[in-house]
Amino acid sequence: AQSVTQLDSHVSVSEGTPVLLRCNYSSSYSPSLFWYVQHPNKGLQLLLKYTSAATLVKGINGFEAEFKKSETSFHLTKPSAHMSDAAEYFCVVNYRVSGGYNKLIFGAGTRLAVHP
Amino acid sequence: NAGVTQTPKFRVLKTGQSMTLLCAQDMNHEYMYWYRQDPGMGLRLIHYSVGEGTTAKGEVPDGYNVSRLKKQNFLLGLESAAPSQTSVYFCASSSRTGGQYFGPGTRLTVT
Repeated sequence: AQSVTQLDSHVSVSEGTPVLLRCNYSSSYSPSLFWYVQHPNKGLQLLLKYTSAATLVKGINGFEAEFKKSETSFHLTKPSAHMSDAAEYFCVVNYRVSGGYNKLIFGAGTRLAVHP
Repeated sequence: NAGVTQTPKFRVLKTGQSMTLLCAQDMNHEYMYWYRQDPGMGLRLIHYSVGEGTTAKGEVPDGYNVSRLKKQNFLLGLESAAPSQTSVYFCASSSRTGGQYFGPGTRLTVT
């Protein structure tokens, strides 16, 4: 069975310091993995995706994530937080089901706060 | 290129009323989805479509119907709204292998 666990429900950092949002997944085969960001009262924006190519994936706004199969992790990082990064972040596993569509399994989300 | 758009953005319904939410995408995606997002429960799939003229049930389909008459549009209908359907509704679309792109959401309140 596929599942996603985001290890921290809230993360608080100071502006200019590194960001680490942790995600572990469980999948019976090689998954596709995504990170989405949701700003308050907004839709979900795709940050980056891993689809079995390079294990280090670069996304938008300076974010990147590393796929580590041995640790079943897909942690999201950014070297230097900006105030505009404050939002909720979702780690997502994607796999194809028997009906032929791409099913997304969402983590519970991590709310990132950035302080001046 | 507008991506995925949804109308309306906000709506208030009385119990028992009906309404239709419209989703449109201009990325020529085959797949389209309707989700609801509730506090503490993440996103749950209501219905989805793998192509024009096809629809299928997701995790929480009861009380909703959908139609995909055109490839670019995916309609979500509530025939008799209930307070339990108060939620934020998101539409998404994707290619066969890519990530899903989401619309801005529709905030629905049923009183």
